[in-house]
Amino acid sequence: GAVVSQHPSWVICKSGTSVKIECRSLDFQATTMFWYRQFPKQSLMLMATSNEGSKATYEQGVEKDKFLINHASLTLSTLTVTSAHPEDSSFYICSALTSGSYSGEQFFGPGTRLTVL
Amino acid sequence: GENVEQHPSTLSVQEGDSAVIKCTYSDSASNYFPWYKQELGKRPQLIIDIRSNVGEKKDQRIAVTLNKTAKHFSLHITETQPEDSAVYFCAASVDSGYALNFGKGTSLLVTP
Repeated sequence: GAVVSQHPSWVICKSGTSVKIECRSLDFQATTMFWYRQFPKQSLMLMATSNEGSKATYEQGVEKDKFLINHASLTLSTLTVTSAHPEDSSFYICSALTSGSYSGEQFFGPGTRLTVL
Repeated sequence: GENVEQHPSTLSVQEGDSAVIKCTYSDSASNYFPWYKQELGKRPQLIIDIRSNVGEKKDQRIAVTLNKTAKHFSLHITETQPEDSAVYFCAASVDSGYALNFGKGTSLLVTP
């Protein structure tokens, strides 16, 4: 099956710093990637939809200037948490759709655990 | 927007028994309903999905039913095993290629 990787798998940073998370589709091209956030014992909440070569579409309540998303190629999307604060600590998961896929299946990355001190 | 409700939030069954998790959705335009299993700290894994043109789908011990009129769908796991213990999420989307709206999850515990 299709493989999606994320890097790093976990990161600890100081409050006020920025953190970049990468999401890569390893064996397929992804025209669309999604970014989700999951707090402990909660569900996955969609943050934004990322389309290759265009600006990301953010969900209501998600600050686009704080969570910068770049989808510069068909295999890579990045999420940068700028000026991170402790309340940004969460599990960030990306997913990718294969280009031309009609199955609707999203392939999820393994997630990135962010802890902001 | 789409609102997906999932019940129960926790479910404990004995090994060999069946488990049923139910979800309702609000957007009548939704036509794709996947179910995911997530183990602690890991990625969600698709276990089964169903589209609105199908009422039921089965894959070995797992089955999903869909009632479009009532806007609800259910996951059925038969002959449960301890390794089925995990958090299960239902989701809905308006079509393939769209973002998923997840339910709040059901923590399933299968005791030997």
